[in-house]
Amino acid sequence: EAQVTQNPRYLITVTGKKLTVTCSQNMNHEYMSWYRQDPGLGLRQIYYSMNVEVTDKGDVPEGYKVSRKEKRNFPLILESPSPNQTSLYFCASSTSPTLYEQYFGPGTRLTVT
Amino acid sequence: QKEVEQDPGPLSVPEGAIVSLNCTYSNSAFQYFMWYRQYSRKGPELLMYTYSSGNKEDGRFTAQVDKSSKYISLFIRDSQPSDSATYLCAFFVAGSARQLTFGSGTQLTVLP
Repeated sequence: EAQVTQNPRYLITVTGKKLTVTCSQNMNHEYMSWYRQDPGLGLRQIYYSMNVEVTDKGDVPEGYKVSRKEKRNFPLILESPSPNQTSLYFCASSTSPTLYEQYFGPGTRLTVT
Repeated sequence: QKEVEQDPGPLSVPEGAIVSLNCTYSNSAFQYFMWYRQYSRKGPELLMYTYSSGNKEDGRFTAQVDKSSKYISLFIRDSQPSDSATYLCAFFVAGSARQLTFGSGTQLTVLP
């Protein structure tokens, strides 16, 4: 089954404790993105990747890191999480260079206390 | 002014009703106009897209774009309880290879 998977689905952590949210897709897509979703603000892009070893900032990259060492994986790293990073995070992938059709993972709900 | 404005709802309608969901936008560069549907505890999924003014129909769903007014709509005919979800409008500039711009979403509940 073609899908984007994320782990963990739910995470509660404390300020400053480094964490990684994994994302994997099995569709051989070149393009992958991370979004955060907050009430009233919709989905905002954090980082995206055009291909292996090629990443760039989205709208809200501060406090996040990404890496793309393999085509299928695109982990999101929070080196020192803060309460304002409490959010619902989505990974997405796309094969189209126009990117309008993206396939989203199920989401990771992160709470930073 | 926000780049995209979408009424957050929530919107509650009886089964069989016609639903109208709307977004306005300010960026004239937007070329692709999309609607994503997001069920509770799931990621968004693409429902419809269009890249020109006018109407596009897919079953019970019709997407309408008015570029001159910078206004897009999604109509759902004969709404079903299974249509209960959050609907997000989204916009894209061809060749930007960067990002979709999303509305904040309208939460719809169709009551049986």
